[in-house]
Amino acid sequence: GAVVSQHPSWVICKSGTSVKIECRSLDFQATTMFWYRQFPKQSLMLMATSNEGSKATYEQGVEKDKFLINHASLTLSTLTVTSAHPEDSSFYICSARQPGRGEQYFGPGTRLTVT
Amino acid sequence: DAKTTQPNSMESNEEEPVHLPCNHSTISGTDYIHWYRQLPSQGPEYVIHGLTSNVNNRMASLAIAEDRKSSTLILHRATLRDAAVYYCIFDNFNKFYFGSGTKLNVKP
Repeated sequence: GAVVSQHPSWVICKSGTSVKIECRSLDFQATTMFWYRQFPKQSLMLMATSNEGSKATYEQGVEKDKFLINHASLTLSTLTVTSAHPEDSSFYICSARQPGRGEQYFGPGTRLTVT
Repeated sequence: DAKTTQPNSMESNEEEPVHLPCNHSTISGTDYIHWYRQLPSQGPEYVIHGLTSNVNNRMASLAIAEDRKSSTLILHRATLRDAAVYYCIFDNFNKFYFGSGTKLNVKP
């Protein structure tokens, strides 16, 4: 149980375009989902917390107008990278938390390359 | 950000036990201690978590110091598949702030 999927697993886009990444909890309902970014040979950095039915809360230094997060249902959160630039190229990972549980279950990640 | 301190890397021989240490001196009384591991180009995988008492599951054991300022993840018999980066994290207002982790190398 506790499976989280992401789509797509990798994406290449041109500079200036937007790209949407989906995160789904497949076998449980997640009131809270999280988005992380990981650059090569670095650790995961928390970007934002996504709560179902309300606005996401962003970590300090993360541009909320650039990284749009929507959590429209208990099983789906989306991250849209708007006007992507090469420096946005990274590994984006989501996680989901079951209500009342402390552990997070992570998706397999999405590799974004902006050319 | 919630701070944890782990050795950058450790090495183990296959079939031998591995003890991965973590210091979390700023942990508060209600923060759980979580351990995850990550293979290259994959999302982190849950290993174990605990609050005060030592915990066991099919993957590993977690030994928590009495003052909760440190913990140790124990892999009882390391296999080649256990080679990964291991992260020790504690909940900070239900958020995870990852440290740099310990890269575990398992030698055959």
